Amino acid sequence: AQSVAQPEDQVNVAEGNPLTVKCTYSVSGNPYLFWYVQYPNRGLQFLLKYITGDNLVKGSYGFEAEFNKSQTSFHLKKPSALVSDSALYFCAVRDIGGFKTIFGAGTRLFVKA
Amino acid sequence: GAGVSQSPSNKVTEKGKDVELRCDPISGHTALYWYRQSLGQGLEFLIYFQGNSAPDKSGLPSDRFSAERTGGSVSTLTIQRTQQEDSAVYLCASSLFTSMNTEAFFGQGTRLTVV
Repeated sequence: AQSVAQPEDQVNVAEGNPLTVKCTYSVSGNPYLFWYVQYPNRGLQFLLKYITGDNLVKGSYGFEAEFNKSQTSFHLKKPSALVSDSALYFCAVRDIGGFKTIFGAGTRLFVKA
Repeated sequence: GAGVSQSPSNKVTEKGKDVELRCDPISGHTALYWYRQSLGQGLEFLIYFQGNSAPDKSGLPSDRFSAERTGGSVSTLTIQRTQQEDSAVYLCASSLFTSMNTEAFFGQGTRLTVV
């Protein structure tokens, strides 16, 4: 069965500093991996995905994520955080065999000015 | 439409009543998903559709929950005899079926409160 773990409920970072939001996954085969963001009072928005190829994936708003197969991780990163990045971030995994997508519990990111 | 549309946006119902939540996916999207997001929790998978069929209903919490999709478009999630623990935001998402690596697009959700 698929599963996703986001070990941090909350991440605090100062504006301008790099940020990392952690995600580890478990699937029976090769995964498709996704990051979504949820801003207050708004729906979930797609940020980026890993399908195959380069382990470093670039997405919207300057975010990127690094796929590490040996560590079964897909951490979200940004070189320089903005206050406007403050939101709830979800990692998701889909087994290549199907469409069922499982989401992590979410990590709340606070960026202080 | 331009995005996934869900209605109503908010629903307050009395314990024991039935409710219907509607999802109108992006035109042409044949995959449709329902998730539940409880306060402070992550997204809980409920069910997904490929066209009108639901190959995976494993996430439905109990037999009080059911969902259908007609014409490969609109979907309805029905909760019978609602309980207070059903209070949550119910999210619908859709995606293209042409490739399994496509991302899902989410609606704004229906906030259900059972009093």
